[in-house]
Amino acid sequence: EVQLVESGGNLVQPGGSLRLSCAVSGFTFSTYWMSWVRHAPGKGLEWVANIKQDGSEKYYVDSVKGRFTISRDNAKNSLYLEMNSLRVEDTAVYYCARGRPDLRWGGWFASWGQGTLVTVSS
Amino acid sequence: DIVMTQSPDSLAVSLGERATINCKSSQTVFYSPTNKNYLAWYQQKPGQPPKLLIYWASTRESGVPERFSGSGSGTDFTLTISSLQADDVAVYYCQQYYGIPPAFGQGTKVEIK
Repeated sequence: EVQLVESGGNLVQPGGSLRLSCAVSGFTFSTYWMSWVRHAPGKGLEWVANIKQDGSEKYYVDSVKGRFTISRDNAKNSLYLEMNSLRVEDTAVYYCARGRPDLRWGGWFASWGQGTLVTVSS
Repeated sequence: DIVMTQSPDSLAVSLGERATINCKSSQTVFYSPTNKNYLAWYQQKPGQPPKLLIYWASTRESGVPERFSGSGSGTDFTLTISSLQADDVAVYYCQQYYGIPPAFGQGTKVEIK
């Protein structure tokens, strides 16, 4: 069974930092593109970042470029999102999502974690 | 960047009736070399992660009821629920994966009339 379990969400002050983790099981992690997608309260889904199977390509939505860093450890079957200079507008549930192994940038998202809540507030 | 726009923002449909959601992309998501439309649909219920319904604009994901169907090509797409059930109350999103960033539409909330 495919499982993705996020952790690391918390309440943080504006300007602060957090590191999210996503532990996966049930599939060969190293063969899939992986993404982070967020859902802010009362808003729609927003793709945040993705990373290629070997970590050689990473892409970000403009609003987080220079502040967030996506990474992966294929030996530990884990995906990460390092978030710095957090803003109130970064408040959201952050989902780890599995892309496709065979499509440029990963394609659609067939598997999702349950999400972890990041709240940025003073 | 490709922008995805859904319509309507919300709709209320009687049980057993048809629900239709539209999605328009700011540029084509049809890729000629593969003859495919790079468009997916998701269902999201409160407190849950999104669930994939449709990919390649019209291919139903395994386990998704046949009442859900996708159609369209190029820049205009439709998700149809042929006979609305109580369990279908949710927000529905389209997503293009033709280019980077892989953008979602703003969502359409479906309720029971």
